[in-house]
Parts: sequence; structure tokens; C-alpha cells
Amino acid sequence: KNEVEQSPQNLTAQEEEFITINCSYSVGISALHWLQQHPGGGIVSLFMLSSGKKKHGRLIATINIQEKHSSLHITASHPRDSAVYICAGAYNTDKLIFGTGTRLQVFP
Amino acid sequence: EPEVTQTPSHQVTQMGQEVILRCVPISNHLYFYWYRQILGQKVEFLVSFYNNEISEKSEIFDDQFSVERPDGSNFTLKIRSTKLEDSAMYFCASSEYSPQGNEQFFGPGTRLTVL
Repeated sequence: KNEVEQSPQNLTAQEEEFITINCSYSVGISALHWLQQHPGGGIVSLFMLSSGKKKHGRLIATINIQEKHSSLHITASHPRDSAVYICAGAYNTDKLIFGTGTRLQVFP
Repeated sequence: EPEVTQTPSHQVTQMGQEVILRCVPISNHLYFYWYRQILGQKVEFLVSFYNNEISEKSEIFDDQFSVERPDGSNFTLKIRSTKLEDSAMYFCASSEYSPQGNEQFFGPGTRLTVL
């Protein structure tokens, strides 16, 4: 069964802290997506990766194919980073399989 | 920057009524999707659409649901006879190329409330 699991479910941090959110998935993934869901509900695509590492500003996403694991890192976190972060796997079909999300709150 | 738009932002309807949720995908995109998120739960795939036909659908997407691209810009999701359990946030998404290994761009969502 194609599954995507995330940890932690909830995360609180002080401003400037380095944050890591983890995602593990079952075999057969063709790509792994990281998404951000704002408090109002809208979803923004952050990264799509199938190998290695990608960086955009203070966000870094890595994937380890052998370990079936991906991480999203936020450097120098800021209260505006507060959101739900979701990983989703593409398993050689059209549909994305979503994780449950990690609710991040960054306090000043 | 091009974006996916959805209307309405919030729809309230009575059980048994038909609703149509509208989406305008990014103009040069070829693949279109509907997802839903019941409050407090994961986002779930409903259907993908390419070349004017359904490409893939989930077990959720039963005969009560249909999708259509009535013209060159709109992509619609119709629920024929709404049930209480259809209350959810519905997201439209589009991608330029095949969904396998390509980024999908999401709309802001339509919150459907069935009373």
C-alpha cells in the first residue's frame, strides 16, 4: 500500500531556530512534494524532488532514496513560517498521496 | 505570476442539492486535478483530467461526482446530490506536464458546507 508518514505532527519553535520536518514513504515513489498550507487553507507548492537536495531561500528539502525518507529544513525560522507543512508522494500514477501534515508554530 | 483560481471561496448548500465548483487552471497547463480535505484530515485525491477526459479517479469519486472542461479556461467539479459528508475544502490544481514528477499548482480552495 502506498503510504506517506510525517513527523512530528506538531512543532513549536522560537524565532531563529533551525527546524526539521520528516517524511517517510513506501517503495515505488517517483517524486516527493513538499507543500505549505496557510492558516486560511490555501496550499502552496514548495518543492518537488526525486533525488538529492533543493534549496529556496531559507527552505531546504532533501531526499534519501535508499532510506525512503525526505526532510524539510527551515533555517532562521520566523513567525511567518507558521503553517502546516505537508509531504505528498507521487507513485507513478496521477494521484498524490498526502501525509497528515506537520503544524508548525514559530514564536517571536 | 500565473495562478490557479477557484470560485466560489465558500459555498453553503442543502443536502440533496447539486453544486458546481469552478476552477480556472493556469493557461498553458494541460493536466488538471481535484482534491478534497475534510476538516482535520489529510488532503485526498479525487480525480485527474487530461485531454478532455478523466485520466484517473479515486474510490471517493463515485457517480455523484463529475468533472468537465466546458470551455478553454474553466474546469468544473459537479456534485449531483450533496451529502453531509461532502462538506470539505475542495482544491483544484494544474500542472504543465504529466503529474508524475512535475509540480502541481494549487488554487485557494472552495469551502463547501452541506447542511
